Amino acid sequence: DADVTQTPRNRITKTGKRIMLECSQTKGHDRMYWYRQDPGLGLRLIYYSFDVKDINKGEISDGYSVSRQAQAKFSLSLESAIPNQTALYFCATSDSQGSGYYGYTFGSGTRLTVV
Amino acid sequence: AQSVTQPDIHITVSEGASLELRCNYSYGATPYLFWYVQSPGQGLQLLLKYFSGDTLVQGIKGFEAEFKRSQSSFNLRKPSVHWSDAAEYFCAVGAGSSNTGKLIFGQGTTLQVKP
Repeated sequence: DADVTQTPRNRITKTGKRIMLECSQTKGHDRMYWYRQDPGLGLRLIYYSFDVKDINKGEISDGYSVSRQAQAKFSLSLESAIPNQTALYFCATSDSQGSGYYGYTFGSGTRLTVV
Repeated sequence: AQSVTQPDIHITVSEGASLELRCNYSYGATPYLFWYVQSPGQGLQLLLKYFSGDTLVQGIKGFEAEFKRSQSSFNLRKPSVHWSDAAEYFCAVGAGSSNTGKLIFGQGTTLQVKP
């Protein structure tokens, strides 16, 4: 099984619908991140969490919300999806031991299309 | 604010030829620098990282990168490219204190390998 699992892998949804992307990890890492990838823009940080009670906005959090249900689970929600949220979404984890940049692990991504 | 620029959006090289992918960063202090590779349909995999010390760092799959503070660059190199190296490559810099683990990514460079 993958260390970081994202579900679903692909999703098509309609404008205005609520949708949740899920991420679970078996790495035992305490830090989890949601990034969005758009062609020509690289990856941009949406939200990140240091533990269940510590959630922080990234550079593009508008229109998104997150929930850290447990150390191993971090969900991203689009409350009312719009077409410009069509993108590839990545969940990532890292270990707080030592530098936070060690052990950054990515999931395989969720391709979301909003029509 | 920290930023990363990858000047080349798309590069094509012949199999067996050498490769250099450019990365320029903007950061006030000594940066934490990374190169990631993304194969089609996959998440990002860490190739190598620079935190301090020797400015020439070796990574996986035969890649290396050189940190040049005077040029604010962290270019990725490989002496002889294989067809399996075709992928998208991302340079990233650690944002803020290392305790956060946040990364800022460049726009990405797509590598095509000609037989």
